[in-house]
Amino acid sequence: AQSVTQLGSHVSVSEGALVLLRCNYSSSVPPYLFWYVQYPNQGLQLLLKYTSAATLVKGINGFEAEFKKSETSFHLTKPSAHMSDAAEYFCAVSSFNTNAGKSTFGDGTTLTVKP
Amino acid sequence: DGGITQSPKYLFRKEGQNVTLSCEQNLNHDAMYWYRQDPGQGLRLIYYSQIVNDFQKGDIAEGYSVSREKKESFPLTVTSAQKNPTAFYLCASSTTGTGYGYTFGSGTRLTVV
Repeated sequence: AQSVTQLGSHVSVSEGALVLLRCNYSSSVPPYLFWYVQYPNQGLQLLLKYTSAATLVKGINGFEAEFKKSETSFHLTKPSAHMSDAAEYFCAVSSFNTNAGKSTFGDGTTLTVKP
Repeated sequence: DGGITQSPKYLFRKEGQNVTLSCEQNLNHDAMYWYRQDPGQGLRLIYYSQIVNDFQKGDIAEGYSVSREKKESFPLTVTSAQKNPTAFYLCASSTTGTGYGYTFGSGTRLTVV
């Protein structure tokens, strides 16, 4: 079985501040992990993914995430928030040869950026 | 450019009516998925297909039906048996196997009137 928990359904930061969105996963086998971003009334866009290579993964728009096996976490960070980062963010997990390779998504975290 | 096209963007359904949402991809992906999104509930899987002429139920398949007659197309029908169909529907596709992530369409917002 696999699952994802995103801690905090809403996160608010000031422009220029650090962005930290938390994701913890559960998987019985080594996982693949993803972060997606969704702007209002649009589909999801892949930000970055972890596939057992480097544990620190860099993605688009200055975001990065670190895979920590001991903590079963894959938190998303960005050093300096921009107004355009305001969106909903989803963490997802999939596992090779289990669950037909389908991804399981978290409930999402809405990021608000204050001027 | 390759991608997924969902149509229409907005759809209105009368009580007791069936409606079909279109999803077409030109990415040569084998796997396709339909998700339903409601506020505060994340994405819930309705149906998925990993190969032409085969598909499986997801977590909330009741009141929905799909077909996969072509690799490029995976239409979703919302039937009158779905009692609460108002939602945002997302189609996605991926390369077979894990680790690749999904490509999503831009969604269809269905409203019951």
